[in-house]
Amino acid sequence: QVHLQESGPGLVRPSETLSLTCSVSGDSVNSASNYWSWIRQSSGRGLEWIGFFSSTGSANYNPSLKSRITISVDTSKNQFFLRITSVTTADTAIYYCARGLPRRRLDSWGRGTLVTVSS
Amino acid sequence: DIQMTQAPSSLSASVGDRVTLTCRASQSISDFLNWYQQKPGKAPQLLIYAASSLQGGVPSRFRGTGSGTTFTLTIDNLQPDDFATYYCQESYTTRWTFGRGTKVEIK
Repeated sequence: QVHLQESGPGLVRPSETLSLTCSVSGDSVNSASNYWSWIRQSSGRGLEWIGFFSSTGSANYNPSLKSRITISVDTSKNQFFLRITSVTTADTAIYYCARGLPRRRLDSWGRGTLVTVSS
Repeated sequence: DIQMTQAPSSLSASVGDRVTLTCRASQSISDFLNWYQQKPGKAPQLLIYAASSLQGGVPSRFRGTGSGTTFTLTIDNLQPDDFATYYCQESYTTRWTFGRGTKVEIK
């Protein structure tokens, strides 16, 4: 059974960079046809898909965030990462990592981590 | 951008009821529609994918139908564990947009 766990700082200052790690067990980030995804949730924006890194080596980002985000993978540690630059208070949210399967369904999620952007 | 509209935003129902939740896309998304259940303080959990396919381990009282722009999630014989918020999500575009959710509460 796949297990995902997010980690990273809970507080980020405005204009700085938000960096999160998702540690995966029970599956490989190299597995074929998987989409290693980040989603966030806030009371204002609801659930918002951020982007994914696929096992084919390509990344796909939400166009509304594309200029500020990077998703990458470390296969040796079986982890994937999210970076969001130039954060504002609008980036305050619970951040989830998840596994996407064919038909782009998010079948396994981490528990989520709250990130607050505040000075 | 595709907009995903869920209705109603909330409903009250009793154990044993049948409830139907609706999700409408602002343009056709074929059957690229997923449904999730979320309970307070927890991550969303996949129920239905490709509009009508039941995710493994999900009780058969959950049923998804629809294609194009209009989709429904039906829960038969509502159980106490089913009181939660339900979200639809399109995976047709590059935005994978979620609806705002329908909260199912106990009457």
